[in-house]
Amino acid sequence: QSVLTQPPSASGAPGQRVTISCSGSSSNIGSNTVNWYQQLPGTAPKLLIYSDNQRPSGVPDRFSGSKSGTSASLAIIGLRSEDEADYYCAAWHESLKNWVFGGGTKLTVL
Amino acid sequence: QITLKESGPTLVKPTQTLTLTCTFSGFSVDTSGVGVGWIRQPPGKALEWLALIFWDGDKRYSPSLKSRLTITKDTSKNQVVLTMTNMDPVDTATYYCAHSTRLPQCSGGKCYYFDYWGQGTLVTVSS
Repeated sequence: QSVLTQPPSASGAPGQRVTISCSGSSSNIGSNTVNWYQQLPGTAPKLLIYSDNQRPSGVPDRFSGSKSGTSASLAIIGLRSEDEADYYCAAWHESLKNWVFGGGTKLTVL
Repeated sequence: QITLKESGPTLVKPTQTLTLTCTFSGFSVDTSGVGVGWIRQPPGKALEWLALIFWDGDKRYSPSLKSRLTITKDTSKNQVVLTMTNMDPVDTATYYCAHSTRLPQCSGGKCYYFDYWGQGTLVTVSS
């Protein structure tokens, strides 16, 4: 059972918009920034979003992050087949003094 | 260009100690605001953070695994080493090392995020 809760799966057709949620608490998302990682099949995770809504250089602006209270979201617009991957949220947990990850969301492009 | 690569045994026996080495290039682990961490992923499961060593030598460990973990750095070799004692089959996972950067105008461990990852190394624990 992960400290951060994500839906196990999400899907969308090419060109559509999809959002992935990440629910936490006041001890993690509510008081610290959220990062998102994309893990393509058989590869290492890649940083997609940091500090709630910042994109590293090279990440397309089709990807965006937002946060409100103790929840965060990753939005992908103009869905492409190459976006099919697992997506993880992560945040620092104050009381555990620990980085915590969500359980991951498997995105399927229909 | 920042790159990291993990190395170590692919198979360890229960109760043995695992030693993994992360060899990196493109940065110095002594640079202010930099850290190197370890994260693992059991087959088909989620990511789990293990440990992080900061540029100033400070260290953080997962509370649930703290008694079994040691992280060290060797600046001259551009390496960070993780040891995990008393290995168990449940520790079977792909182990990743990752470069970590501190957010600007922020202090403390919470301010770091993992921005470059190694390819990972699968470690199987079995007799």
